[in-house]
Amino acid sequence: EDQVTQSPEALRLQEGESSSLNCSYTVSGLRGLFWYRQDPGKGPEFLFTLYSAGEEKEKERLKATLTKKESFLHITAPKPEDSATYLCAVNRDDKIIFGKGTRLHILP
Amino acid sequence: EAQVTQNPRYLITVTGKKLTVTCSQNMNHEYMSWYRQDPGLGLRQIYYSMNVEVTDKGDVPEGYKVSRKEKRNFPLILESPSPNQTSLYFCASSSYRASYNEQFFGPGTRLTVL
Repeated sequence: EDQVTQSPEALRLQEGESSSLNCSYTVSGLRGLFWYRQDPGKGPEFLFTLYSAGEEKEKERLKATLTKKESFLHITAPKPEDSATYLCAVNRDDKIIFGKGTRLHILP
Repeated sequence: EAQVTQNPRYLITVTGKKLTVTCSQNMNHEYMSWYRQDPGLGLRQIYYSMNVEVTDKGDVPEGYKVSRKEKRNFPLILESPSPNQTSLYFCASSSYRASYNEQFFGPGTRLTVL
């Protein structure tokens, strides 16, 4: 069965404390893995798409990496405004499967 | 401004009363999709459309209908809503050039079925 699993479910960090979020997947016919950010009461906002193992993408304090079985979202020196839920999703033959997300809280 | 709009934003209704949630995008995107988001279950795809007159089921299509008569619009229809369809619904669209991965989401519709 196709699955996308994110860990941890929730993470609290001090401002400036770097960490990583994990997204593991078991999907056949993968056409891309992507990360979104969602703020409370709003729709998800696109961050990155990764297509092949070894690929990396960066945006400000965020860096996404991809292997054959998982992806990591690395957060370097986070700030309180990085607090949000981070969602991982995969495109499986044009169907989109989301993980349940990681709630990230950055303490000032 | 490029955007996906949904209406209504909030809706309270009763079991069995047919309703339609509208979704419109102004980016000329080919791909459109509906999701529902529930606590503990995350975002789940209901239906998606690759282009006009082309629709397909996502993971949770039971109890929902969609149509794609125009490229910009993708309404979600609940013929006979039930309480288990109480949820937060999102519409999204994306371009073929982005391999359907960079989806733009609407602001959401919070539906309560009594």
